[in-house]
Amino acid sequence: EDKVVQSPLSLVVHEGDTVTLNCSYEVTNFRSLLWYKQEKKAPTFLFMLTSSGIEKKSGRLSSILDKKELFSILNITATQTGDSAVYLCAVEASSGSARQLTFGSGTQLTVLP
Amino acid sequence: DGGITQSPKYLFRKEGQNVTLSCEQNLNHDAMYWYRQDPGQGLRLIYYSQIVNDFQKGDIAEGYSVSREKKESFPLTVTSAQKNPTAFYLCASSILSGSNQPQHFGDGTRLSIL
Repeated sequence: EDKVVQSPLSLVVHEGDTVTLNCSYEVTNFRSLLWYKQEKKAPTFLFMLTSSGIEKKSGRLSSILDKKELFSILNITATQTGDSAVYLCAVEASSGSARQLTFGSGTQLTVLP
Repeated sequence: DGGITQSPKYLFRKEGQNVTLSCEQNLNHDAMYWYRQDPGQGLRLIYYSQIVNDFQKGDIAEGYSVSREKKESFPLTVTSAQKNPTAFYLCASSILSGSNQPQHFGDGTRLSIL
């Protein structure tokens, strides 16, 4: 059974801090790892990672994948209150043409002013 | 604008009642998905469909049913057989495999038991 574990489950920081969110996985026929940000409603897409060691960046957010050790990290630098959200990690496995995602339970990030 | 529309935003169900959640997309995506999210938990797959008139069970399909009569629409029925239906339901869509495009999500429907 495919499995995704995120840590920590929750995190409280002050504005300006840097945070690192972790995601480890066990999956058969790995295809990609995705990070989403969820603020009350629809998860919004952040990154898709398919290759080890290649950092993806978008503003203050960055992410990297290690396919040998089966984990990924999401970094947020100079955090702002608007970064407060649940961050979801999901792993996509190849299964014919279907694109099934297995999600972790998420990390609840709270950024205090 | 292209996107996924879920309705209603909030839904209340009485004991023994079936209810249907709507999901419509105008992204021209082939695949559509239904997930359930419980407090403090990640998303769990209920059903998915890769093509019109075809769909497959996900990890927690018991007590749910779906149909895919049109490419744009993938309604989910929560039947009376689902004993714990209170949850946040999310619909998603995507291009089929072979693409690096992610699944896109609707804004969800919150279902509660009266």
